[in-house]
Amino acid sequence: QVQLLQSGAEVKKPGASLKVSCKASGYTFTNYGINWVRQAPGQGLEWLGWASTYNGNTNYAQKVQGRLTMTTDTSTDTAYLELTSLRSDDTAVYYCARGGGGIWFGELSWFDPWGQGTLVIVSS
Amino acid sequence: EIVLTQSPATLSLSPGEGATLSCRASQSVGNYLAWYQQKPGQGPRLLIYDVSKRATGIPARFLGSGSGTDFTLTISNLEPEDFAVYYCQHRSNWPLTFGGGTKVEIK
Repeated sequence: QVQLLQSGAEVKKPGASLKVSCKASGYTFTNYGINWVRQAPGQGLEWLGWASTYNGNTNYAQKVQGRLTMTTDTSTDTAYLELTSLRSDDTAVYYCARGGGGIWFGELSWFDPWGQGTLVIVSS
Repeated sequence: EIVLTQSPATLSLSPGEGATLSCRASQSVGNYLAWYQQKPGQGPRLLIYDVSKRATGIPARFLGSGSGTDFTLTISNLEPEDFAVYYCQHRSNWPLTFGGGTKVEIK
């Protein structure tokens, strides 16, 4: 079945960098983009950005632009999120989510399925 | 950026009752609206996409409707597993955004 498996929890100090992986299985990786969404403790969902698994194009939320890089590796069907200059308000569960419509519906999509989430704590 | 406003923030209902959740967009999103369900400690699950299309495996008691700026998720005959937080999300343009969520709790 379609599955996204994320890397494990991370504890980082302010100013450090973060890299989270998201390994896809059960479908043709290059037919669907990957989005990243985060959820701060007790808060709602915040879209961070989208990466094309086909040509590497990206689109990032303005709030994290400049600190965020999304990449994909088609040899391992894995997507990566890198966030630099971490701050305490980056503490959240980070989710990868497949663009539900795939290449047939364009870049802007709903999210289905979601990874299990990666807890990131930024604390000194 | 399109702002999605969900109401009410909390809905207190009993199993077997119906729920009506609202999502209002700050500008038209056409028919590009999705709904998700999230239970404590879990990631979100897609329920509805493009206003009214149910995702695979979603029961018929979940019904999406609306267009433009006003959307509704109706859950008929609430089951115990339906008590959760629900989010709407648009895919009209960048950036994609979510509503703040509606919590459906047991009365």
